[in-house]
Amino acid sequence: AQSVTQLDSHVSVSEGTPVLLRCNYSSSYSPSLFWYVQHPNKGLQLLLKYTSAATLVKGINGFEAEFKKSETSFHLTKPSAHMSDAAEYFCVVRGPVRSQGNLIFGKGTKLSVKP
Amino acid sequence: NAGVTQTPKFRVLKTGQSMTLLCAQDMNHEYMYWYRQDPGMGLRLIHYSVGEGTTAKGEVPDGYNVSRLKKQNFLLGLESAAPSQTSVYFCASSYRLAAYNEQFFGPGTRLTVL
Repeated sequence: AQSVTQLDSHVSVSEGTPVLLRCNYSSSYSPSLFWYVQHPNKGLQLLLKYTSAATLVKGINGFEAEFKKSETSFHLTKPSAHMSDAAEYFCVVRGPVRSQGNLIFGKGTKLSVKP
Repeated sequence: NAGVTQTPKFRVLKTGQSMTLLCAQDMNHEYMYWYRQDPGMGLRLIHYSVGEGTTAKGEVPDGYNVSRLKKQNFLLGLESAAPSQTSVYFCASSYRLAAYNEQFFGPGTRLTVL
């Protein structure tokens, strides 16, 4: 079965310092993985996706994620946090093909950025 | 392009009342989805549709019904609301399978059932 585990429910960083949001996945086949961001009182927006091409995926707003099969991880990073990065981040894995495109969401990591 | 829009943005219901949430997209997407978001739970799929006139159950379908009479619209109905349905509801759409195509989300509907 497919699942994702976001290892931290809340991460707090100072502006200008690196961001690391951790995600482990479980999948019975080659996974498709995504990171979505949700700003307060907004819908979700795709940050980046991995679909078995390059293992280092670059997304919007300076974020990137590295797919590591040996560690079943897909951690999200950014070299330098900005105040506007404060939001909730969801790691997502593709569900079974029979579900016609179902996405399975992690429980989310809330990122706080201190001035 | 408005993208994905949802109506209403907020609603308060009493237990047993019914209501319909409307989702509209102007991107000519085939697939549409309804999710609910509860604190600490991420998003869970309620129902989805792979094309006009088709619907299918997701992870948490009980207590909800859906209809996709027009390609651009996807309606979510609550026939007899319960406090357990207090949640934020998101609609999303994608061109084809979400596995390979981005899902675009609406701004959400915050529903409270008293």
